[in-house]
Amino acid sequence: AQSVTQPDIHITVSEGASLELRCNYSYGATPYLFWYVQSPGQGLQLLLKYFSGDTLVQGIKGFEAEFKRSQSSFNLRKPSVHWSDAAEYFCAVGVGKTSYDKVIFGPGTSLSVIP
Amino acid sequence: DTAVSQTPKYLVTQMGNDKSIKCEQNLGHDTMYWYKQDSKKFLKIMFSYNNKELIINETVPNRFSPKSPDKAHLNLHINSLELGDSAVYFCASSPFTGGTEAFFGQGTRLTVV
Repeated sequence: AQSVTQPDIHITVSEGASLELRCNYSYGATPYLFWYVQSPGQGLQLLLKYFSGDTLVQGIKGFEAEFKRSQSSFNLRKPSVHWSDAAEYFCAVGVGKTSYDKVIFGPGTSLSVIP
Repeated sequence: DTAVSQTPKYLVTQMGNDKSIKCEQNLGHDTMYWYKQDSKKFLKIMFSYNNKELIINETVPNRFSPKSPDKAHLNLHINSLELGDSAVYFCASSPFTGGTEAFFGQGTRLTVV
């Protein structure tokens, strides 16, 4: 069965430090992969997506993610975290005939930023 | 201009009541969804509609009935509300083509007391 795991439930980093959020997926075919961010009391905003091509994808707000097929991973990175990055981050996999026939979300990683 | 809008944003109601949540998108998308986010922030798809036709129904109780009067609207009606229905419900939309993402509304926080 398809699934998405995010091993870190909660991460705390200092402002200006680098960040890596981990995501692993289980899916038999070529996945469509997404990272979403949810600020408190808000809806989800897409940070970046991977469908094919270059395995390193750039997103908004200075985020990037790297797809590693051999590790079934799609980790999110940011070189220098800002206090406004504190939020919930969701990794997601699109399954089905089109990328959004159905999307399975991971459990989320809550990011806290120390000023 | 809000792309995907849901109303109401907050909904508090008693057990046994019937309530509806409305969703509208002005993006011209063909596909719309309802997601449920529980207290642990776990997101799970409930329904998806493509051009008013039900595509996905993820084993949601019959008390939940989506209705799509046109492809820009997908409303969620819930009968006989239970305590366990308390959650944040998100509406989303996407073009029904490969390689695209979904756009989410701000969510409706439903509290059943």
